[in-house]
Amino acid sequence: AQSVSQHNHHVILSEAASLELGCNYSYGGTVNLFWYVQYPGQHLQLLLKYFSGDPLVKGIKGFEAEFIKSKFSFNLRKPSVQWSDTAEYFCAVNAAGGYNKLIFGAGTRLAVHP
Amino acid sequence: GAVVSQHPSRVICKSGTSVKIECRSLDFQATTMFWYRQFPKQSLMLMATSNEGSKATYEQGVEKDKFLINHASLTLSTLTVTSAHPEDSSFYICSARDAERGAAYEQYFGPGTRLTVT
Repeated sequence: AQSVSQHNHHVILSEAASLELGCNYSYGGTVNLFWYVQYPGQHLQLLLKYFSGDPLVKGIKGFEAEFIKSKFSFNLRKPSVQWSDTAEYFCAVNAAGGYNKLIFGAGTRLAVHP
Repeated sequence: GAVVSQHPSRVICKSGTSVKIECRSLDFQATTMFWYRQFPKQSLMLMATSNEGSKATYEQGVEKDKFLINHASLTLSTLTVTSAHPEDSSFYICSARDAERGAAYEQYFGPGTRLTVT
């Protein structure tokens, strides 16, 4: 069965600090990978996605993620966070090649202090 | 584009009653919709996958007789929580997939419905 693990449950940073959130998945086949963000009181929004091609994916708001197939990882990065990045971040995966369900990680709650 | 709405956003009901939650895709046709449940400070857990015109596929452990899903049109899916109990109190989120768009596997999420059963 597919699973997604996010290593950090709660991250606290100061503004301008760099961010890296870990995400590992378990699935032997080809996958599609996603990072979603949920700002306080708002619905899930897609930050970025990887389907194929360049393993370094750039998303909205300065976020990027790198797919490392050999490590089954899809870590999210941002070089300089802002207070407005305070939110919960979810990594998700589904098996490519069909209308398959999304499996979510447990989420990482990021708090950015000014 | 790709907006999904849910109604109501919040609902409080008494134990034993039923509650219907609507999920609509506003600017695209959703051949597949998904229903999730999110507990406080936890991730989204998929409850069921709903395909237009066919029966929903429920995840293991989800009671299909309790959580009735109907996907009668390409823009509307409903989740009915029957004979609700306090343990059904949760945040219910739907998402929709538009196979006509370029990102075939991307899901667009609704804002969620907070259900409180007293």
